[in-house]
Amino acid sequence: RKEVEQDPGPFNVPEGATVAFNCTYSNSASQSFFWYRQDCRKEPKLLMSVYSSGNEDGRFTAQLNRASQYISLLIRDSKLSDSATYLCVVIFSGYSTLTFGKGTMLLVSP
Amino acid sequence: NAGVTQTPKFRVLKTGQSMTLLCAQDMNHEYMYWYRQDPGMGLRLIHYSVGEGTTAKGEVPDGYNVSRLKKQNFLLGLESAAPSQTSVYFCASRTIAGGLEEQYFGPGTRLTVT
Repeated sequence: RKEVEQDPGPFNVPEGATVAFNCTYSNSASQSFFWYRQDCRKEPKLLMSVYSSGNEDGRFTAQLNRASQYISLLIRDSKLSDSATYLCVVIFSGYSTLTFGKGTMLLVSP
Repeated sequence: NAGVTQTPKFRVLKTGQSMTLLCAQDMNHEYMYWYRQDPGMGLRLIHYSVGEGTTAKGEVPDGYNVSRLKKQNFLLGLESAAPSQTSVYFCASRTIAGGLEEQYFGPGTRLTVT
């Protein structure tokens, strides 16, 4: 069974806030993990890969918890331009395909 | 370097008509995918290809056919369009060469079937 679950939101936060999203996945034999960003009516774009030790890219921090089977994305100092839908993506071991969550919508307001 | 391109960007079909969506990538990626995205459903995989001349079914393959005669192109065909196929279609290409995972999406094709 290959499933990726996300809270659809929306998460409404003011500029400058810190916000975190979680994503759970069904299969412990999972290989790779990613966060994608999708703006309204646009194609998804890779935001960052998620590594076992956790990784940071500017205001964005991604973490993986294999024991509890979830990944997280933390956004610090939110900007208006961060408003988008964030997609959790898992590649399950032995598969050539990516499994997408349905996305979490973030709305950052002035 | 254009990345992933899709043709056409928009199309309106009548029920029963056929059409082919073209996806092209210039990155020499091995894998290519066709997804559809509907409100509240997220991205769903239609068909995919792990290399030139190979194709495989995804999550929602019914009503669609694909071909990958050349590595850079992945075609999605609708033989007899139905209103349920109204959707936004995204193509993607992917490589895992050298342990580096990269996947890029095309800009999408918005299809309406009346």
